[in-house]
Amino acid sequence: GENVEQHPSTLSVQEGDSAVIKCTYSDSASNYFPWYKQELGKRPQLIIDIRSNVGEKKDQRIAVTLNKTAKHFSLHITETQPEDSAVYFCAGRSGAGSYQLTFGKGTKLSVIP
Amino acid sequence: DTGVSQNPRHKITKRGQNVTFRCDPISEHNRLYWYRQTLGQGPEFLTYFQNEAQLEKSRLLSDRFSAERPKGSFSTLEIQRTEQGDSAMYLCASSQGQRGFIDTQYFGPGTRLTVL
Repeated sequence: GENVEQHPSTLSVQEGDSAVIKCTYSDSASNYFPWYKQELGKRPQLIIDIRSNVGEKKDQRIAVTLNKTAKHFSLHITETQPEDSAVYFCAGRSGAGSYQLTFGKGTKLSVIP
Repeated sequence: DTGVSQNPRHKITKRGQNVTFRCDPISEHNRLYWYRQTLGQGPEFLTYFQNEAQLEKSRLLSDRFSAERPKGSFSTLEIQRTEQGDSAMYLCASSQGQRGFIDTQYFGPGTRLTVL
């Protein structure tokens, strides 16, 4: 089955700097990669996602890049703000008609004012 | 609130007791998923339904776990003879299930289970 690894496990940045979180996946048939943000005590919320036939996607300060050959994808947050502080999870969905998501272990992002 | 809802939000039980959780998906969402999340980990897939049919089950779902979605709307997850290792946050998610590639999963707030 799919295995998703995520790095780093913790990340501290100064407000206004950029943050990058990286994930690798094992199943070359995986075709969909969402990113979720989870604040303490709250539900995971989708912030951005990317299909396997797209190399990059942007939404304001957030972007995701995908390298299918290397089987890795990354989340980029620019101009970080204190409200970006949360745990971020990457996930992959295997092809072949499966809809389950396999999540990474998460990255705790702290944005220091 | 038209999002995914789960009840109860918290459950404390003694080892060996049975517990049941309920999930109400977003209206008209055909697919419903159960995940388990322990401290410091990402959600782990347990099972998923397309309407009332249970189509995928994880190896994590032991014989003590059973899930149902009898009318294709709400779902229940039952754990029999609970063990301390069952303590976790149980998350439910739903997705529209329409034909097409993207099928965003929206999560509920979770039920936190503590087994004493």
